Amino acid sequence: DVVMTQSPLSLPVTLGQPASISCRSSQSLLHSDGNTYLAWFQQRPGQSPRRLIYKVSNRDSGVPDRFSGSGSGTDFTLKISRVEAEDVGVYYCMQGTHWWTFGQGTKVEIK
Amino acid sequence: EVQLVESGGGLVQPGGSLRLSCGASGFTFSSYWMSWLRQAPGKGLEWVANINQDGSQKYYVDSLKGRFTISRDNAKNSLYLQMNSLRAEDTAVYYCARAYSSSPEYWGQGTLVTVSS
Repeated sequence: DVVMTQSPLSLPVTLGQPASISCRSSQSLLHSDGNTYLAWFQQRPGQSPRRLIYKVSNRDSGVPDRFSGSGSGTDFTLKISRVEAEDVGVYYCMQGTHWWTFGQGTKVEIK
Repeated sequence: EVQLVESGGGLVQPGGSLRLSCGASGFTFSSYWMSWLRQAPGKGLEWVANINQDGSQKYYVDSLKGRFTISRDNAKNSLYLQMNSLRAEDTAVYYCARAYSSSPEYWGQGTLVTVSS
């Protein structure tokens, strides 16, 4: 199984400041079809998860452009350019290249 | 608007069975892969199973093979998860999701399954 490892697991942030979450996979996520199936999800308190990013860097419809994804191979990053209060929650990375597995989650909270 | 509504959760004794349903609307159900995922209380997300558009391909997380069965009825715009031989560790919120680009694009609100005597 592909293991997804996120860091940090807890991220206190200041409103208006940037934030970054790292995600590493135990093997390359480059699929034989040429795509890299790495997605990011946001789960606000008491809500269902919401997909933010798919295929490393593609934002889903309605996702603010302060969210961006990058990376390749086994190393990936989710960046929030300026954190807003509504960004509080748990963020998960997920690989879809070798079946589906999720990272442990990173809890984002306001300082 | 894409809507996914799960139902069928509840309290079940260890060793028992439960069938979850997911009603879909707002999109052409028969055109999409569909998925079940779950989240144990206070824990992270876990993929359970995927099914292709016509139900001919089904994939499961290794740890659940043989106990859970995913199915769909495109005429009813519905997705199902039959869960047998339930264990305490199956206690979780179960989510139905529409898959796109090899990840769950839209999620339902979830249905809670509690396995306890």
